[in-house]
Amino acid sequence: SQQGEEDPQALSIQEGENATMNCSYKTSINNLQWYRQNSGRGLVHLILIRSNEREKHSGRLRVTLDTSKKSSSLLITASRAADTASYFCATGEQGAQKLVFGQGTRLTINP
Amino acid sequence: GAGVSQTPSNKVTEKGKYVELRCDPISGHTALYWYRQSLGQGPEFLIYFQGTGAADDSGLPNDRFFAVRPEGSVSTLKIQRTERGDSAVYLCASSLIRPGANVLTFGAGSRLTVL
Repeated sequence: SQQGEEDPQALSIQEGENATMNCSYKTSINNLQWYRQNSGRGLVHLILIRSNEREKHSGRLRVTLDTSKKSSSLLITASRAADTASYFCATGEQGAQKLVFGQGTRLTINP
Repeated sequence: GAGVSQTPSNKVTEKGKYVELRCDPISGHTALYWYRQSLGQGPEFLIYFQGTGAADDSGLPNDRFFAVRPEGSVSTLKIQRTERGDSAVYLCASSLIRPGANVLTFGAGSRLTVL
């Protein structure tokens, strides 16, 4: 089963613009992670935010977490064509080691 | 190895046949995970190993699916009497055991097509 719902399912923007993707989940978590997947390849970890954190930055990535609303957002600033990929949120539930993934957002950056 | 290795990268089989998919995790990673990903969907959890034992197999869809990790390193996912609905990319990942902060490293996947 998949916990997360991601919004939008697909996003197309111009190079240089910012891209924002949202993720909602249902259960109590101890962390939330974002992964990226290029077409036909495995997933690559981008960033992890713990349940007691509200915001985290890594390079051009900014992640927020609102545990009261059970939601997270991923912002990619100054997008590049190479950012074109699918982005997935994944939640680590309390007491469990596995990650539960959302359906993903397909991001297309137009040059 | 430097990364998670999965073989074969592609497997085409006929309905009813038996299939084995292999995963070689990062050396030293105690945790190993199998996921299944259908086209346009997110990865769906199948099973998680901690060492040699299956700590969580709640995602295995039915008894046709089985996975082993006999020496705590390489794992094999076994699918009996394959059905067309089993067609998907099977992803393996490994991680260190870090409660609340387990970051998964994924392999490139094994694409299974059941005709």
